[in-house]
Amino acid sequence: SAVISQKPSRDICQRGTSLTIQCQVDSQVTMMFWYRQQPGQSLTLIATANQGSEATYESGFVIDKFPISRPNLTFSTLTVSNMSPEDSSIYLCSVVEYSGYTFGSGTRLTVV
Amino acid sequence: GENVGLHLPTLSVQEGDNSIINCAYSNSASDYFIWYKQESGKGPQFIIDIRSNMDKRQGQRVTVLLNKTVKHLSLQIAATQPGDSAVYFCAENNAGNMLTFGGGTRLMVKP
Repeated sequence: SAVISQKPSRDICQRGTSLTIQCQVDSQVTMMFWYRQQPGQSLTLIATANQGSEATYESGFVIDKFPISRPNLTFSTLTVSNMSPEDSSIYLCSVVEYSGYTFGSGTRLTVV
Repeated sequence: GENVGLHLPTLSVQEGDNSIINCAYSNSASDYFIWYKQESGKGPQFIIDIRSNMDKRQGQRVTVLLNKTVKHLSLQIAATQPGDSAVYFCAENNAGNMLTFGGGTRLMVKP
């Protein structure tokens, strides 16, 4: 299965700033997803990162707050914009291949 | 820890006992289900999956049972070990390769 590298693994950010999270996959994959995991909770899908077109956002998530790039089939970024303490979460990217779904180890974001 | 499972329901079992973790899913049209294990500081790791045309699937020390009538999924872990301590999530796939995750259960194994 694919190996996913996420950067940074963790960060502490000031409110009002933005953080860009990178997801690098060791093979070309068609479908990449971004999830949020709030403290003590399950995973919620933010959006599907589409290569060559705008991401598809789930209800409750908007492009202005969570802009996503997908320049090629092995890389994507998620930006958390104008952060507030409520954005403190683990953000995970995921890919799906024939062998199934694989998740990165996540980016643990704390907004102060 | 990393706050994973802090507010989730907890199942506490003795080492060597069997564990049963339950999950209710939401969409009767879902046709593929996965159980994930998440340890502190890590992303979810695949444990076992099952398609809707089956009601039982076995792996190494794990069994997944699917009851489509009541939209219920369970994960059975045989001879639970301390290394099984983690948060367990079920996930369902119902459209466009997207997964919808259940609420999760924290498993604590007492030595």
